[in-house]
Order: sequence, then structure tokens, then C-alpha cells
Amino acid sequence: GAGVSQSPSNKVTEKGKDVELRCDPISGHTALYWYRQSLGQGLEFLIYFQGNSAPDKSGLPSDRFSAERTGGSVSTLTIQRTQQEDSAVYLCASSLGGQATQYFGPGTRLTVL
Amino acid sequence: QKEVEQDPGPLSVPEGAIVSLNCTYSNSAFQYFMWYRQYSRKGPELLMYTYSSGNKEDGRFTAQVDKSSKYISLFIRDSQPSDSATYLCAMSQAGGGNKLTFGTGTQLKVEL
Repeated sequence: GAGVSQSPSNKVTEKGKDVELRCDPISGHTALYWYRQSLGQGLEFLIYFQGNSAPDKSGLPSDRFSAERTGGSVSTLTIQRTQQEDSAVYLCASSLGGQATQYFGPGTRLTVL
Repeated sequence: QKEVEQDPGPLSVPEGAIVSLNCTYSNSAFQYFMWYRQYSRKGPELLMYTYSSGNKEDGRFTAQVDKSSKYISLFIRDSQPSDSATYLCAMSQAGGGNKLTFGTGTQLKVEL
């Protein structure tokens, strides 16, 4: 079946602009995660959604970052007033609720000029 | 000090060699252990999953977890050039949403 999909695959933006990144999880997966992968920092957890529960936002690096998940499926990660240090690959993963194994999408490569 | 430590390599081996990749961790609450393979400019691909201590084998891959030493390993037998990638260890606690804590990844190159 279809895996996790993300769009766009690449995004170049200017410092100070807002960006939206989209994730479409595997059908039937109730848990959805966002991670960030940057040189020197590796893969870092950002935010987690499980069903209708309040999201775990403990990994978001600043209040410029937010995410929502509509209808328990598609998720959007928004970064406001982008900074150069936001340049990274943003990865989305999904899993069956309660399962530890997560399946990743191809990522969105964000470059802030 | 990071919760999960992983030698970044790069590690270069000849085709057919046995490869050993390792991670150490400090958080004794970790219960689930995974290995992901990531090719350049691609998302991580789940290779192996182990719960608590023990061994698990899948084809040419064997994962080992030693919770008493807080040490996990991935062995690749008969390595192939197609195994050239970055290998990431990841782990999570029971409950808490299973958010993963990753090692920094080991870059592996298998040469002909």
C-alpha cells in the first residue's frame, strides 16, 4: 500500500517568510509524528499526534513552530518568520496507535536564504 | 552528553564483510529499539525492531539489545554495495507516545 507522503519535497524561502509543510500518513495509522533532521543535530522529535488527544508539542523549538492535524489524517507543520537555522529536512512518520514502529516519509528539504 | 551515542563513521568495508554497528544509551527507561537505514536524500527506512533485551534475526541482519549494558548492535552479514547508507539507531520508552530518540547515524560504505 501507499506509504507516508510529504509535500513539497523541496522548499526554498527567504528569511522572515512563513512556510507550510504537508504530511499524508499511511491510511489507518492514528499516530503521526514530525521530526527535524539537520547537520550536526541528527534527527530530533518535534510534535506527536494520537487520535483526538491533545498533541505532544514538547519538541517544538520555538513558538514560531506549530502543527495541526485535520480529521485525524493529514497534518500541516507551519513555521512562521523563518530563520536560517530552520534550514533542515523535516520528516513525518506515522504508526498504528500504541505501536512503537514508525514509518517515515521522504521528507521536505527546507532552505531558508 | 546525548541520550544516545553512535559512532558517526564513516565506516568502509569490502563486499562480503560482516559489519557491526553499535549504539549506547543512558536512559534506562528505553524499552523499544529500532534500526533505520537511510539512503542519501531519502527518508529513514525501518530495518529491525526489538522489544527489550534479546536478539532478532531477519535475513542478513541481526539486531542485539543488552539492556544491562545499555548497548545495542546491528550486524550485517555478507555486506553488499547496496547496503551503503547511513544507519540510525532509535529507541523509545513505553508509553509517552513512543517518540523516538535517535543516534546521529553511522555512514557505511561497502566497496566492491
